Amino acid sequence: AQSVTQLDSHVSVSEGTPVLLRCNYSSSYSPSLFWYVQHPNKGLQLLLKYTSAATLVKGINGFEAEFKKSETSFHLTKPSAHMSDAAEYFCVVSLHQAGTALIFGKGTTLSVSS
Amino acid sequence: NAGVTQTPKFRVLKTGQSMTLLCAQDMNHEYMYWYRQDPGMGLRLIHYSVGEGTTAKGEVPDGYNVSRLKKQNFLLGLESAAPSQTSVYFCASSYVATGVAFFGQGTRLTVV
Repeated sequence: AQSVTQLDSHVSVSEGTPVLLRCNYSSSYSPSLFWYVQHPNKGLQLLLKYTSAATLVKGINGFEAEFKKSETSFHLTKPSAHMSDAAEYFCVVSLHQAGTALIFGKGTTLSVSS
Repeated sequence: NAGVTQTPKFRVLKTGQSMTLLCAQDMNHEYMYWYRQDPGMGLRLIHYSVGEGTTAKGEVPDGYNVSRLKKQNFLLGLESAAPSQTSVYFCASSYVATGVAFFGQGTRLTVV
């Protein structure tokens, strides 16, 4: 079975400070991992994906994530938060198997204060 | 460049009524998915399809049915709506199981 756990339901940072959103996964197989972002009343947009190439993945808007197999983690980071980063972020896992679907974490709401 | 289109965008139903949500994609994707999003629950998979004519149950399939008669369309049906089905519904599609999923803009459904 596969699952994904986002360790924080809500993270608050000040503009210009670093962002860390934590995600742990469990999977019997080598997974593909994604981070999606959802701005208020909007659809979901892909931030970045890991598919067994480089363990440090760079995404859009300055975000990046590091795949650590030994820790079964895929944490999302950004060096300096911007007000426009305020949104909900989802960690997502998919197996390298036909006939399976994306499994979402429960989401982390990021608040950015000025 | 439409991507994934959901109709309708908003709907209010009375308990016991039925309705169908339509998802259409123009990217020739094999995989299509229906999710529901509720506060604090993330997105939960209702049903999905790995190709035309095939469907499979996800995490929360009860009270919903789906059909994929054409590759580009994936329909989600509620036969007898209940207040517990009040939610935002998202459709998505991807080329392969591990590929990037593209999402529609969502359907906000309220059952009273």
